[in-house]
Amino acid sequence: GDSVTQMEGPVTLSEEAFLTINCTYTATGYPSLFWYVQYPGEGLQLLLKATKADDKGSNKGFEATYRKETTSFHLEKGSVQVSDSAVYFCAPYNYGQNFVFGPGTRLSVLP
Amino acid sequence: DADVTQTPRNRITKTGKRIMLECSQTKGHDRMYWYRQDPGLGLRLIYYSFDVKDINKGEISDGYSVSRQAQAKFSLSLESAIPNQTALYFCATSVTANTGELFFGEGSRLTVL
Repeated sequence: GDSVTQMEGPVTLSEEAFLTINCTYTATGYPSLFWYVQYPGEGLQLLLKATKADDKGSNKGFEATYRKETTSFHLEKGSVQVSDSAVYFCAPYNYGQNFVFGPGTRLSVLP
Repeated sequence: DADVTQTPRNRITKTGKRIMLECSQTKGHDRMYWYRQDPGLGLRLIYYSFDVKDINKGEISDGYSVSRQAQAKFSLSLESAIPNQTALYFCATSVTANTGELFFGEGSRLTVL
């Protein structure tokens, strides 16, 4: 079945540092790729998505590019803020099927 | 008010007790889901429903049952709770399969002693 591998957390960074959270996946067909974010005490919410190869999803300063050849969708942000502290989930999605969520990567940003 | 509301938000119970977690939504979505979150395991799908008459098992449905009382309401029951069902439970909705976007409630934390 489909699966997702995310870098182990927790990731601890200082404010204004560069962030990369790696995500690779195995999936049948040609999935859309999503990053969801879970802030403390809240449910998950969509952060960004990409629907085809070489597409770049972006939101709130975060970016991720759909790399079909390497089956990857790494999340990046140039300058993190304390408010970015959260758990980040990578998730491929095939039409007509259900999401497969990665294990999540916890990010802590220190002032 | 939240578009997807879960009750209770926190519950502590004992082994063998029956527990119901409720979810209601004001988004008008047809599709509703119940997920379980455990540390290091991400979210795993328990049950999902594409409309009132359509209920489907997810990857970890054993020990759980659901009821779709209306388009807006989807309840998860643990008939006889056991300690390894201690987890954070999320209800989610979606419009159709096309966009793939899920809308989550704030979660129900269940502890089974």
